[in-house]
Amino acid sequence: AQSVTQLDSHVSVSEGTPVLLRCNYSSSYSPSLFWYVQHPNKGLQLLLKYTSAATLVKGINGFEAEFKKSETSFHLTKPSAHMSDAAEYFCVVADSGGGADGLTFGKGTHLIIQP
Amino acid sequence: EAGVAQSPRYKIIEKRQSVAFWCNPISGHATLYWYQQILGQGPKLLIQFQNNGVVDDSQLPKDRFSAERLKGVDSTLKIQPAKLEDSAVYLCASTRDRIGYEQYFGPGTRLTVT
Repeated sequence: AQSVTQLDSHVSVSEGTPVLLRCNYSSSYSPSLFWYVQHPNKGLQLLLKYTSAATLVKGINGFEAEFKKSETSFHLTKPSAHMSDAAEYFCVVADSGGGADGLTFGKGTHLIIQP
Repeated sequence: EAGVAQSPRYKIIEKRQSVAFWCNPISGHATLYWYQQILGQGPKLLIQFQNNGVVDDSQLPKDRFSAERLKGVDSTLKIQPAKLEDSAVYLCASTRDRIGYEQYFGPGTRLTVT
């Protein structure tokens, strides 16, 4: 069975400062991992995905995440927060290689950007 | 290309009534998913179609929920009868195939059961 734990339900940072959203996963197989973003009243959008290639994954809008198997973590980072980054972020795991089947979502982290 | 379309965007019904949601996936996408997102939680997969066949419906409450994807394109999700705990956003997503492709999500239908 697979699961995802997002360690913070809310994260608040000042504009221009770094962002760190934490995610730990559990998977029986080699997992595929994703981060999705959800802006208010909009659909979920894929930020980035890890599928057993490079462990440091770069995504859209300056976000990146590092897969650490020893720590079972896949934390999302961004060097400098922008007001438009305020949204809900979901860490997602899939057991199958390539990962379109069987996605399991975390509960989400609400990112607040202070001016 | 056009995104995943869903309708209606909002629906309010009383408990024990029935309701149906419609989804039109991105053209050419063989795989279609319905998710339920309860307030404060991440989306939970209800059912997955590959073309017009069901791949996974293990988390679909089959006593009240049903879904179909006739002709392997559009899909409808129905709840009959609705309960208060069915209040949620129902998301539809599609992908070109099952493995190795990004899921594209629609804007969702927000259901309120009173």
